[in-house]
Amino acid sequence: AQSVAQPEDQVNVAEGNPLTVKCTYSVSGNPYLFWYVQYPNRGLQFLLKYITGDNLVKGSYGFEAEFNKSQTSFHLKKPSALVSDSALYFCAVTRGSTLGRLYFGRGTQLTVWP
Amino acid sequence: DGGITQSPKYLFRKEGQNVTLSCEQNLNHDAMYWYRQDPGQGLRLIYYSQIVNDFQKGDIAEGYSVSREKKESFPLTVTSAQKNPTAFYLCASSPAGAVDEQYFGPGTRLTVT
Repeated sequence: AQSVAQPEDQVNVAEGNPLTVKCTYSVSGNPYLFWYVQYPNRGLQFLLKYITGDNLVKGSYGFEAEFNKSQTSFHLKKPSALVSDSALYFCAVTRGSTLGRLYFGRGTQLTVWP
Repeated sequence: DGGITQSPKYLFRKEGQNVTLSCEQNLNHDAMYWYRQDPGQGLRLIYYSQIVNDFQKGDIAEGYSVSREKKESFPLTVTSAQKNPTAFYLCASSPAGAVDEQYFGPGTRLTVT
């Protein structure tokens, strides 16, 4: 069975500091990994994905994520946080045979303080 | 503008009534999905459809029904059998491959009293 864990319900960082939102996954076979962001009362927006290739993936709004197969992790990072990055972040996983069905983590609320 | 529309944004119903949530996409995507979002629980899959006239149950299908008569439309009916229907409902679509990201609509917040 596929699953995703986001171990932190909340992450707080000061503006200008680097941020990390953690994600670990469990899947049989090769994983396809995704990060999404959700602003209050809105749908989810796609940030980035890892399918294959380079372990460091760059996405929208200056975000990046590093795929680590040995640690089964896909942490989201940004070198310098902005107040406008404050939102709910979701990690999701699937594998090829599930034809696009995603398994989501519970989400991590990121708050960036000015 | 290409995208996914969900209507209405807010919906209020009395307990015991069925209610249908609309989801339309003009992205020409084959696959469509319905998720339920509750605080602290992430997104849970209700139903999904990879092709017209075919759909599969997700993890929490009980008390819900769907249809997929047209490629661009995937309405969700919340029936009176759903024990706790008050939630935020999200519709998504994708080109159907596992490598493709899903595109989400703005959501419908359903309140049942």
